[in-house]
Amino acid sequence: AQSVTQLGSHVSVSEGALVLLRCNYSSSVPPYLFWYVQYPNQGLQLLLKYTSAATLVKGINGFEAEFKKSETSFHLTKPSAHMSDAAEYFCAVSMFSGGYNKLIFGAGTRLAVHP
Amino acid sequence: AAGVIQSPRHLIKEKRETATLKCYPIPRHDTVYWYQQGPGQDPQFLISFYEKMQSDKGSIPDRFSAQQFSDYHSELNMSSLELGDSALYFCASSSQTSGWASTDTQYFGPGTRLTVL
Repeated sequence: AQSVTQLGSHVSVSEGALVLLRCNYSSSVPPYLFWYVQYPNQGLQLLLKYTSAATLVKGINGFEAEFKKSETSFHLTKPSAHMSDAAEYFCAVSMFSGGYNKLIFGAGTRLAVHP
Repeated sequence: AAGVIQSPRHLIKEKRETATLKCYPIPRHDTVYWYQQGPGQDPQFLISFYEKMQSDKGSIPDRFSAQQFSDYHSELNMSSLELGDSALYFCASSSQTSGWASTDTQYFGPGTRLTVL
């Protein structure tokens, strides 16, 4: 069975600082991994996804993530945080079941950005 | 670009009442998923439909039922509502473009916030 673990329920960074949100996965088959962002009172927006094409995946808003099989990780990074990045971030793995997929989410990491 | 539409956006019900949530997928998307996100929780998969047939089932209570119609919109019916059903309910849609469905991206709607009093 697939699962993801997000280390750190809350992360706080200064504006302009590096953002690093950690995600480790567990999967018996090659995983397909996603990062979603949720702004307050809004739905989930796809940031980026890994589907085995390239280990370094670039997403929207300057975010990127690197798939590291040896570390079973898919950490999300952004070189310079912006105030507008404050949100909840969810890592998810696609669980393939009977020909169809459902997303299994991590517990989420709330990112705070302060001046 | 058109997105997933959910209605209503907010719903307040009393215990033991029923509620119907609607989801309109992105045009030409043939798969719909329902997720429940409790306060401070991560989204949990409830049920999915592909081409109007139930394709997978998660932790959906027996009091809930859902279906996908010929125009691909989906409805989640919830009966005998309990306080614990208060949550944000998301619908997502995707298009089965590849043989391996796991790579298909799910696009989420804004959610319906259900409050049970």
